[in-house]
Amino acid sequence: RKEVEQDPGPFNVPEGATVAFNCTYSNSASQSFFWYRQDCRKEPKLLMSVYSSGNEDGRFTAQLNRASQYISLLIRDSKLSDSATYLCVVSSSGTYKYIFGTGTRLKVLA
Amino acid sequence: EPEVTQTPSHQVTQMGQEVILRCVPISNHLYFYWYRQILGQKVEFLVSFYNNEISEKSEIFDDQFSVERPDGSNFTLKIRSTKLEDSAMYFCASTDGGGYGYTFGSGTRLTVV
Repeated sequence: RKEVEQDPGPFNVPEGATVAFNCTYSNSASQSFFWYRQDCRKEPKLLMSVYSSGNEDGRFTAQLNRASQYISLLIRDSKLSDSATYLCVVSSSGTYKYIFGTGTRLKVLA
Repeated sequence: EPEVTQTPSHQVTQMGQEVILRCVPISNHLYFYWYRQILGQKVEFLVSFYNNEISEKSEIFDDQFSVERPDGSNFTLKIRSTKLEDSAMYFCASTDGGGYGYTFGSGTRLTVV
């Protein structure tokens, strides 16, 4: 089983749609969870941290289910500028090494 | 907003040559990293560095790779004898360890010919 698994997509959605991405991880000792956004040939940029209680930042909502080892990201009211690859990232304590998923590509269509 | 700065943005080198990729992490950060991303593939961990020493390294980070923090601000990745398969985007990152996520540099695209 891959350490961090994501559906690569692409997800093609119209502007204004709601889209959800999922991610599973294999290491139950993982402690920190993030969603990063990566535009083509650019560096990953932190979108949000993910907590068990769930967290929301504007149109973005992230959720963590430790029992199922599952992380989700919901984007509401999609904008053209949301088109990017969304990277699920898992980290253990200690060195804070990140394990990346392969990313899910999102294309928001006009 | 503080930035992680990487130079050069693009480097082309001949197979077998040594390259040094440079990074200036955010000044109050304590943990430094190198990752790489081969075109079309996922971002992969190479090495983490804390308290002036390597704290963890991956299988990719073999004897051909080394890291250094020579002067308290720069953080370098050296590849001693480059191979074609070293062609990738190399990202430097830093964090203060507060659990808020890394800041990545904009990357160095290394092309080995």
